[in-house]
Amino acid sequence: GAVVSQHPSRVICKSGTSVKIECRSLDFQATTMFWYRQFPKQSLMLMATSNEGSKATYEQGVEKDKFLINHASLTLSTLTVTSAHPEDSSFYICSAREASGGTDTQYFGPGTRLTVL
Amino acid sequence: QQQVKQSPQSLIVQKGGISIINCAYENTAFDYFPWYQQFPGKGPALLIAIRPDVSEKKEGRFTISFNKSAKQFSLHIMDSQPGDSATYFCAAVSNFGNEKLTFGTGTRLTIIP
Repeated sequence: GAVVSQHPSRVICKSGTSVKIECRSLDFQATTMFWYRQFPKQSLMLMATSNEGSKATYEQGVEKDKFLINHASLTLSTLTVTSAHPEDSSFYICSAREASGGTDTQYFGPGTRLTVL
Repeated sequence: QQQVKQSPQSLIVQKGGISIINCAYENTAFDYFPWYQQFPGKGPALLIAIRPDVSEKKEGRFTISFNKSAKQFSLHIMDSQPGDSATYFCAAVSNFGNEKLTFGTGTRLTIIP
């Protein structure tokens, strides 16, 4: 149980295009999902917290107009990188917090490798 | 106050040995401490977690030791195997806060034959 999927796993795009990444909790409902960014050999950097049916909360320094987050249902959140540039190339990882049982556990997706040419 | 300090940055252990990774925190509101294991190109996977009301938790070869007064916790991997070679992150979260995980900086563990 507690599986989180991400799609796509890898994407290469041209500079200026937009890329959408999906995060799904497959066997549980997640009222809260989180989006992280990870650079090589570094820790995870939280970008935003996404709650179902409400606007995402962005961390300081993260451009909300560039990284659009939509949490349309209890099992799906999407991150859209708008007008991507080479500096947006990174490993993007989502996590989902299980809604029931009072658990604090976050389950992570497998990540999406974005390369912007 | 939100930091979680993790050490060492990298660790090499011989097969069969004990791997020990340490973390320290400042925020006394933290009440849940998970450890995550991450292989290259993959997302972190929950390994084991502990709450501050216990001093130790063991699951198979993995043990968390927790010292509430010192605000420190550590991961012990017994009988370390080459398949344990990965990056390990400690983390902390406040159940009554904003639920955001605060991660340590990570430890790259290499198990040599």
